[in-house]
Amino acid sequence: DTAVSQTPKYLVTQMGNDKSIKCEQNLGHDTMYWYKQDSKKFLKIMFSYNNKELIINETVPNRFSPKSPDKAHLNLHINSLELGDSAVYFCASSSTVNTEAFFGQGTRLTVV
Amino acid sequence: GESVGLHLPTLSVQEGDNSIINCAYSNSASDYFIWYKQESGKGPQFIIDIRSNMDKRQGQRVTVLLNKTVKHLSLQIAATQPGDSAVYFCAEKLWQDKIIFGKGTRLHILP
Repeated sequence: DTAVSQTPKYLVTQMGNDKSIKCEQNLGHDTMYWYKQDSKKFLKIMFSYNNKELIINETVPNRFSPKSPDKAHLNLHINSLELGDSAVYFCASSSTVNTEAFFGQGTRLTVV
Repeated sequence: GESVGLHLPTLSVQEGDNSIINCAYSNSASDYFIWYKQESGKGPQFIIDIRSNMDKRQGQRVTVLLNKTVKHLSLQIAATQPGDSAVYFCAEKLWQDKIIFGKGTRLHILP
């Protein structure tokens, strides 16, 4: 079974559209994250949630809205997509004690 | 400030040799560090971690060294194999379980 799964794997869309990426973890972790990886491979944290509560919001534009219906899911909705939003988005989860985060396979978003 | 940086963006190593990937961090209060490996088209994968009360930790063919005095972290890979080709990231877990990543080092294995 996949520990952290996100869908879709690829997403191609036009500027101005609204899209969502879904993420689920079956590890029983309390904390979930969204990361953005740019073309230079730099991984930047966007959000984190702990037990459905927003903990970290790293100066991400308001067009990005995470939603956590329960602690096993953290979805990312993006409004009015821009060219600069093209990147690979990774979902991850970890427990609240000092342990590593487990990452999903990524969603490659291409805005045209 | 919060930053985790790497000294070398690309490292080429002969197959069978040892690889050393370095990382500097700036937050002296950090107490947990992680090394990740990212292969093409995949998400980062955990390799090894170390807590700040340790100087060294060994895994299978990998060793992480932590020097808190100079805020430096390194990953040593013994007997590098073609399957070790990837981008390697050091990461730092801060307050509120915030995990920040360094810029990454691409490891090339030469035949």
